[in-house]
Amino acid sequence: EAQVTQNPRYLITVTGKKLTVTCSQNMNHEYMSWYRQDPGLGLRQIYYSMNVEVTDKGDVPEGYKVSRKEKRNFPLILESPSPNQTSLYFCASSPFTGTSADTQYFGPGTRLTVL
Amino acid sequence: SQQGEEDPQALSIQEGENATMNCSYKTSINNLQWYRQNSGRGLVHLILIRSNEREKHSGRLRVTLDTSKKSSSLLITASRAADTASYFCATPGGENSGGSNYKLTFGKGTLLTVNP
Repeated sequence: EAQVTQNPRYLITVTGKKLTVTCSQNMNHEYMSWYRQDPGLGLRQIYYSMNVEVTDKGDVPEGYKVSRKEKRNFPLILESPSPNQTSLYFCASSPFTGTSADTQYFGPGTRLTVL
Repeated sequence: SQQGEEDPQALSIQEGENATMNCSYKTSINNLQWYRQNSGRGLVHLILIRSNEREKHSGRLRVTLDTSKKSSSLLITASRAADTASYFCATPGGENSGGSNYKLTFGKGTLLTVNP
């Protein structure tokens, strides 16, 4: 089944404790992206990647890191989480059309709480 | 700042009625996408309309795009209780994209409630 998977689905952690949220897709998509969703603010893009070893900042990249060492994986790293990073996080992937961001396939989400 | 903005923020209708949601954007686009999200779950792609298209249909969905007005509308006909969800428009680029069309910007969404 074609899908985007994220792990963990739920995470409660404390300020400053490094964490990684994994994202994997099995559709051979070039483009992958991370979003966070907050009440009243909608969905905001954190980072995106157009291919292996190519990453770019989205709207809200501060406090996050990403890496794209393999085509299928795009982990989101919070080196020193803070309470303002409490949010619902989505990973998405998309075939690369060469002209612009195209149809995104979303993962189920990771609900992160930073105490 | 937001590229796409949906209107209204919330819409409540009866089953069988049509639901119309609008999206306005600020800069020129290559395409505009509509997504649906059931509460707390991942977004699901509904339809993509390219800048050279004016109207597109998919089942009970009808999307229009007016590039001169920088606006799009999503019409759901003969709505069902199962259509209850948030609906988002998304566009590549935007004011803070640095000229990149690979950055995707979502609006804040329209919450549609279809009452049985």
